[in-house]
Amino acid sequence: DVELMESGGGLVQPGGSLRLSCVASGFTFSRYWMTWVRQVPGKGLVWVSRIKSDGSRPSYADFVRGRFIISRDNAKNTLYLQMNSLRADDTAVYYCARVSIDYCSSTSCVGGGDFWGQGTLVTVSS
Amino acid sequence: NFMLTQPHSVSESPGKTVTISCTRTSGTIASNFVQWYQQRPGSSPTIVIFADNQRPSGVPDRFSGSIDSSSNSASLTISGLKTEDEADYYCQSYDSAIPWVFGGGTKLTVL
Repeated sequence: DVELMESGGGLVQPGGSLRLSCVASGFTFSRYWMTWVRQVPGKGLVWVSRIKSDGSRPSYADFVRGRFIISRDNAKNTLYLQMNSLRADDTAVYYCARVSIDYCSSTSCVGGGDFWGQGTLVTVSS
Repeated sequence: NFMLTQPHSVSESPGKTVTISCTRTSGTIASNFVQWYQQRPGSSPTIVIFADNQRPSGVPDRFSGSIDSSSNSASLTISGLKTEDEADYYCQSYDSAIPWVFGGGTKLTVL
């Protein structure tokens, strides 16, 4: 079975850093684009970042560009999100999701998230 | 950038049919696939419709998706409502600039 397990969330002070991890199992991780989505408790889903299957073509939402870095280690079946210069409005549950492989080309992937992790809570507060 | 606009909430009785709309504010809804996700309280989202109207395996055929170019909107229809369908539903699409854009979500109450 496909599983995605996030970790690394917690309480951090404004201006601090955290690195989230998402360990994948049950599928060939290296074939899939992956994405991060966040959700403020009680609010809606917001796309954060995405990375191609081979670790190239990172893309970011405007509100995290320059502060967050997405990466992956296909040998470890792990997706990462390095979060720097954290702000109070970054407080949210962060989900990793696998992007459906059905609608991918070498340069883009327009499918949805066909599997999601359980999420990890990041709280930015002093 | 475009937005996807959903009603904040809808409610319907068990056994009935409900439709949730998702209107694209700019650009053409039919030009880019729309996905729909269900998120039950305390759980992660799960996809119920992909590529406008395709159902993943395991999703009941009570769930269907459609596109209406005249209103530039997508719709999720759930027939034969069950109490287990009570959840938040999000539409999602994209354009060349942003890989994923979500609608604000619709809370479905089955009462």
